[in-house]
Order: sequence, then structure tokens, then C-alpha cells
Amino acid sequence: DAGVIQSPRHEVTEMGQEVTLRCKPISGHDYLFWYRQTMMRGLELLIYFNNNVPIDDSGMPEDRFSAKMPNASFSTLKIQPSEPRDSAVYFCAIQEGTGGTDTQYFGPGTRLTVL
Amino acid sequence: GQNIDQPTEMTATEGAIVQINCTYQTSGFNGLFWYQQHAGEAPTFLSYNVLDGLEEKGRFSSFLSRSKGYSYLLLKELQMKDSASYLCAVRDRAGNMLTFGGGTRLMVKP
Repeated sequence: DAGVIQSPRHEVTEMGQEVTLRCKPISGHDYLFWYRQTMMRGLELLIYFNNNVPIDDSGMPEDRFSAKMPNASFSTLKIQPSEPRDSAVYFCAIQEGTGGTDTQYFGPGTRLTVL
Repeated sequence: GQNIDQPTEMTATEGAIVQINCTYQTSGFNGLFWYQQHAGEAPTFLSYNVLDGLEEKGRFSSFLSRSKGYSYLLLKELQMKDSASYLCAVRDRAGNMLTFGGGTRLMVKP
């Protein structure tokens, strides 16, 4: 989880409530990614940003999901209203560039449970 | 799009060698990555291949054949701490997006 802080680490909420997940990159990066991981579907890309601009949100499952990146040090993923099927671990990852061995470094994740 | 296949589970013995295979079909390719993920933790980067051949990093090696759409991760001198899921991921031609396989859960037994 080098270079990325996520909060909260665990979130339990009830169906219909709004959920906001936070990501704070603490090291240099050009790209920021939001992933969701479940046993059934594995690790899925939801959306990614380049220099704070959303580039590809084709993985966002529904209009209930939205993501913002107001500056290079902060991003949010919001689910409104939440549903039980949104229960998953949500990871934020950063990448410095697009050349050679530039790879993605993941934050520790937020485990979301929607009852 | 990308389609990536890995075995779901493997079991091996401490001290042995294990090979985890990954096959892929892609519309664009700009490198293949292996990540390790311990239960309850985030994926961590292990290796990267973009050209055909073997890349070695200590006990871990990764091989790529682009013509066959095939890669493997080789773990030598297995240790109990190597029990984890191993994720194969292919990067798209633009160099930004990774598509992950479902992961291979490796159990190392004494």
C-alpha cells in the first residue's frame, strides 16, 4: 500500500444509505484508479483519472456510483443509494506514468458491507 | 477487450517449486504483470514482462510468450508465507488500464 491512504478501512451501512469512500495519494502519480473486488467477479476497474480528469468510467456499474478527484491529493467514490450487492472491497491505486515498468500501487482498501 | 484465465487454486509443499499459468486473449497488449495478494490485504506488485522470455527476481520468475498469449509465474523454494492469491494482469495498448485475471489461490503445506 505504498503511497496511498484509504478511509474508512471498514464501513457497514444499511441499504439505501449514502456511502463515501476516500483515497489520498501521498506520493507522486499521474493516474488514479478505483477498483472493486468480490469473490464472484474478482478485481474490476471502476474508473480512472489522469491528472485529476476522469478518463474511463465504463466500469462504473450504475448511476448510483460517482467518483471525483478535486485535486491531485484526494479522490472520492460515492454510492447513493447503496445496495447489498455493492458489498465488496474497494481499492484505490496510483500509477506514475505509462511507460515501461510503471505499475499500479494499491491502497489498503475499504471493506464495505451493505446490510 | 481482454480475457484472462488462471487456475483457481493450487497446492504445493514447502521447499518445492510451483508454476502458475496465465493465458490471455487481448485486443491490445502493452505488458503483463503479476501481483501477490495475501488474504485481507491489497495486491502488491511482483513482476512485469513486455518482451518474450524469462524475468528473474530472486525466488520468483515470470515468463512471457506473446505469440501464444501465455505467461507463467514460477516460485522456487516455497515458503509458508507464499500462501496467497496470485493475480495475472494485462495492460492495454494505451498503457493505462490493467485487466486482471480471477487469481490463483496458492496454498503451501508443510
